Amino acid sequence: AQSVTQLGSHVSVSEGALVLLRCNYSSSVPPYLFWYVQYPNQGLQLLLKYTSAATLVKGINGFEAEFKKSETSFHLTKPSAHMSDAAEYFCAVRDRGSTLGRLYFGRGTQLTVWP
Amino acid sequence: GAGVSQTPSNKVTEKGKYVELRCDPISGHTALYWYRQSLGQGPEFLIYFQGTGAADDSGLPNDRFFAVRPEGSVSTLKIQRTERGDSAVYLCASSLAPGQGPDTQYFGPGTRLTVL
Repeated sequence: AQSVTQLGSHVSVSEGALVLLRCNYSSSVPPYLFWYVQYPNQGLQLLLKYTSAATLVKGINGFEAEFKKSETSFHLTKPSAHMSDAAEYFCAVRDRGSTLGRLYFGRGTQLTVWP
Repeated sequence: GAGVSQTPSNKVTEKGKYVELRCDPISGHTALYWYRQSLGQGPEFLIYFQGTGAADDSGLPNDRFFAVRPEGSVSTLKIQRTERGDSAVYLCASSLAPGQGPDTQYFGPGTRLTVL
């Protein structure tokens, strides 16, 4: 089974600072990779996903993530944090080639943005 | 268009009772998923429907949990003899079809179940 590790359950940054949220996966075959954001009392919203094209993926709200096969990583970054970015972020993977579609999620990282 | 909707948004029940949670997917989405999110955890897969049939129910924790999707649209997650450990947010997601590549799953707002 897939395993997803998100290092750091809580990350705090100042407004305007770089945001870096870490995600590592376990499978030897690179899976499909996703980042979702969850605001309080709302459902998960897709930020971006990696399929098999460019390794640097741009998403919504200024976020981007880079797939690094050698490091089995898919870290999420944003150059300049906004107060509105405060939320919980989940990395998820899906087995490539599977038709079943289930996602495996990390435990999430709560992002706090200080003014 | 309308997103995934789930009802009720909150459900409080007593230990041992039966509950039903409803999910209304995005129109036209043939794939439907249920996940469970416990406090401080990421969502965990429960079951996946392709059309009316459960294509993968390997995530259901035990036989107290059951889900149906009789007409290939709305789905109901049913929990019998609820236990305090069932308390969690139950999330529903839908997508066009996973067989068409890394399709995006669209999530509903969830149902928060509290078992007293």
